Amino acid sequence: GAGVSQSPSNKVTEKGKDVELRCDPISGHTALYWYRQSLGQGLEFLIYFQGNSAPDKSGLPSDRFSAERTGGSVSTLTIQRTQQEDSAVYLCASSLGTGGYTFGSGTRLTVV
Amino acid sequence: DQQVKQNSPSLSVQEGRISILNCDYTNSMFDYFLWYKKYPAEGPTFLISISSIKDKNEDGRFTVFLNKSAKHLSLHIVPSQPGDSAVYFCAAITSGTYKYIFGTGTRLKVLA
Repeated sequence: GAGVSQSPSNKVTEKGKDVELRCDPISGHTALYWYRQSLGQGLEFLIYFQGNSAPDKSGLPSDRFSAERTGGSVSTLTIQRTQQEDSAVYLCASSLGTGGYTFGSGTRLTVV
Repeated sequence: DQQVKQNSPSLSVQEGRISILNCDYTNSMFDYFLWYKKYPAEGPTFLISISSIKDKNEDGRFTVFLNKSAKHLSLHIVPSQPGDSAVYFCAAITSGTYKYIFGTGTRLKVLA
């Protein structure tokens, strides 16, 4: 597509529920990143996918977080048993190799 | 350990005047820097970049200055316009790696 598409744009969930966030990167971009921005914080790296290589999961804050990228394109970030501290804007970005990122508009997650 | 710091969370500037946004980093291995601009409910968009082999890069109203010895970069916007009101993030990376490290952002408000 023309840009990075994320869905849903907003998600309100109850504490303890699981959520799935979706990212559709720019067609042909081999690299895909997930970041999150919590209130008053910078952009925190979560996970990186590059082609068929093993992902860099070093930024995932706990084992409740997981992500996959199917067919080298669409990615899903899953948060299990959500907690209030998971509330943030989750941003997906894609790039050609190690070039600059193109970000999506993000998913604002609110855990109540 | 915040490797990229933006110590001013907010800045207000009168329309037509210069806006100066600052960013400090601690990792001397960083050799490429970017500024992103973020409007509410949108993803960050690339604004301007600079390589460590330069100390200045200019693009229209936007100029980025890099002081490697001080590990400091700044973004100058002149003249500032109300449409420049946004959150500005600086980001740094080491060539050959893939993960940008972002600062916490500075919210710029340009007053008409």
